[in-house]
Amino acid sequence: KAGVTQTPRYLIKTRGQQVTLSCSPISGHRSVSWYQQTPGQGLQFLFEYFSETQRNKGNFPGRFSGRQFSNSRSEMNVSTLELGDSALYLCASSSGTSGGSYNEQFFGPGTRLTVL
Amino acid sequence: EDQVTQSPEALRLQEGESSSLNCSYTVSGLRGLFWYRQDPGKGPEFLFTLYSAGEEKEKERLKATLTKKESFLHITAPKPEDSATYLCAVQARPWYSGGGADGLTFGKGTHLIIQP
Repeated sequence: KAGVTQTPRYLIKTRGQQVTLSCSPISGHRSVSWYQQTPGQGLQFLFEYFSETQRNKGNFPGRFSGRQFSNSRSEMNVSTLELGDSALYLCASSSGTSGGSYNEQFFGPGTRLTVL
Repeated sequence: EDQVTQSPEALRLQEGESSSLNCSYTVSGLRGLFWYRQDPGKGPEFLFTLYSAGEEKEKERLKATLTKKESFLHITAPKPEDSATYLCAVQARPWYSGGGADGLTFGKGTHLIIQP
């Protein structure tokens, strides 16, 4: 079974630009979560989507948004990029249920975003 | 607010020298505690899920245990290939069940180096 894939793997942007990252979950998984990883803050939860609906959101500004498509693929968008947005952005998928994604989450390799 | 603290931050062991990593947590209703392994430049790799105090799980040289306040990852006779950052995360009951965010709350990790 193929794992979680993320594209692109590396991205360089400048301040003020916007960026869209893509995630394809494991086949059959309906829940997709996004995380930001930085050396200072570690892994932080951004948001989770289940059946095309945002089910939960972490403590990040509105510049960070996402969506999920009917095939469970998900995209994350960051508008008006800041230097502090430089990080590894990780996507995780789980089988999930309508009652909560307590199943194990499997991570993709991440997208390394550098903001200059 | 859910919190996870891992110790030590870094640990250097000789090959074959057993040790334990600690994960202390506070959470508004634990749904699950997860252990991940992360190699440089890669996404976290799922190791274990523990759901209730007293539970134990094993995989090769690794054994995870859980109490009401902390979890331990015991590494027996480690090999150089066990070198990685080990991450602990908790998932609380969702807000609609009286808990908090549905995403995982991660600790900063323990950077483990096994010397030949």
